[in-house]
Amino acid sequence: SQKIEQNSEALNIQEGKTATLTCNYTNYSPAYLQWYRQDPGRGPVFLLLIRENEKEKRKERLKVTFDTTLKQSLFHITASQPADSATYLCALPQGRGATNKLIFGTGTLLAVQP
Amino acid sequence: SAVISQKPSRDICQRGTSLTIQCQVDSQVTMMFWYRQQPGQSLTLIATANQGSEATYESGFVIDKFPISRPNLTFSTLTVSNMSPEDSSIYLCSVRGATSGSTDTQYFGPGTRLTVL
Repeated sequence: SQKIEQNSEALNIQEGKTATLTCNYTNYSPAYLQWYRQDPGRGPVFLLLIRENEKEKRKERLKVTFDTTLKQSLFHITASQPADSATYLCALPQGRGATNKLIFGTGTLLAVQP
Repeated sequence: SAVISQKPSRDICQRGTSLTIQCQVDSQVTMMFWYRQQPGQSLTLIATANQGSEATYESGFVIDKFPISRPNLTFSTLTVSNMSPEDSSIYLCSVRGATSGSTDTQYFGPGTRLTVL
């Protein structure tokens, strides 16, 4: 079955730098991949969805890449701010059908130091 | 996008009792899901709530413990029955297929933080 790997160690960076988070998957390439932000005790907030035929997607200071050869997605936050500190989750569908369930990585905690 | 509300936002319950969590969406959605997130863990899917029929449960979750209702396209409930301290968790309602936005995008409610003593 599909497995998702995100770096379980916290990522600490200085304000203003670019944060890069990694999501690797082990099995078939999904039709799309989603990134979420989660603050402590709160539900995940949808950030970006990237499809398998898209190499890159941007939204304000966020950029996501999707490399189906490497089976990897990278999530970048440019000009990072302390308010960006949160856990970031990668998610992808368990199969290729339209109703397939999303499975989630364990998330990477980002801490942006002022 | 879809705006999702959950009630209650948190509760502290005694062992052996049951709690029903409500999920309300501001628009009709195709799919509704219930997830659990235990402390320090990622999200685990409990079940898919099907409108007008029985929910579809994931391995390790059963209807007697987590009965689910979905009477229409905007509302669902999850009951945590005969609770034990191991049920302490955040319970999250999630939807896909909102009338606006991509049908693949999945949105989450704010969660219900449950503590069982």
